[in-house]
Amino acid sequence: GAVVSQHPSWVICKSGTSVKIECRSLDFQATTMFWYRQFPKQSLMLMATSNEGSKATYEQGVEKDKFLINHASLTLSTLTVTSAHPEDSSFYICSARVGRDNSPLHFGNGTRLTVT
Amino acid sequence: EDQVTQSPEALRLQEGESSSLNCSYTVSGLRGLFWYRQDPGKGPEFLFTLYSAGEEKEKERLKATLTKKESFLHITAPKPEDSATYLCAVRILMDSSYKLIFGSGTRLLVRP
Repeated sequence: GAVVSQHPSWVICKSGTSVKIECRSLDFQATTMFWYRQFPKQSLMLMATSNEGSKATYEQGVEKDKFLINHASLTLSTLTVTSAHPEDSSFYICSARVGRDNSPLHFGNGTRLTVT
Repeated sequence: EDQVTQSPEALRLQEGESSSLNCSYTVSGLRGLFWYRQDPGKGPEFLFTLYSAGEEKEKERLKATLTKKESFLHITAPKPEDSATYLCAVRILMDSSYKLIFGSGTRLLVRP
């Protein structure tokens, strides 16, 4: 089955530093990837849609200068949390769709970010 | 406003005790309803897609059904390994693109 790999699985950083999270589609090409954020015991909230070769589309309320997304190839999207603050601590999950628009999303295993 | 509500928030079952999880939705134009399983510290794992009222899907001890207003995930004779958070998501068409709206999940604990 389709596999989405996310790295790192967890990261601890100091306030003010930047953190990069990678999302790879291992056995398929993904022109579109999605980045979600999840707080404890809450639902997944879509942050942005990552489009290969073009700018990402951000959801309302998500700061695009803080959450930089790069989708440089058909198998890799990266999310960089810039100048991280404790309130950015969360579980970040990427996903991709195999095939057409009505196909289900497949998710990575997430990245637990803790900003101290 | 498009909304997805899951109930109960948490459910404890004895092994073998069948039950159902509910996902109710109010959206303008459903383009599919999805069930996912999420284990602690992991990303969601796809279970089912349902597209139209009356549709049913089964996988091992799980069976998903769909009406015009809600979906049920029936768990028959659950085992401890079925313990997880079950997420429901609806896909809608917004601003010429598809978006998934997730419910907050039902945390299921199956005791041996």
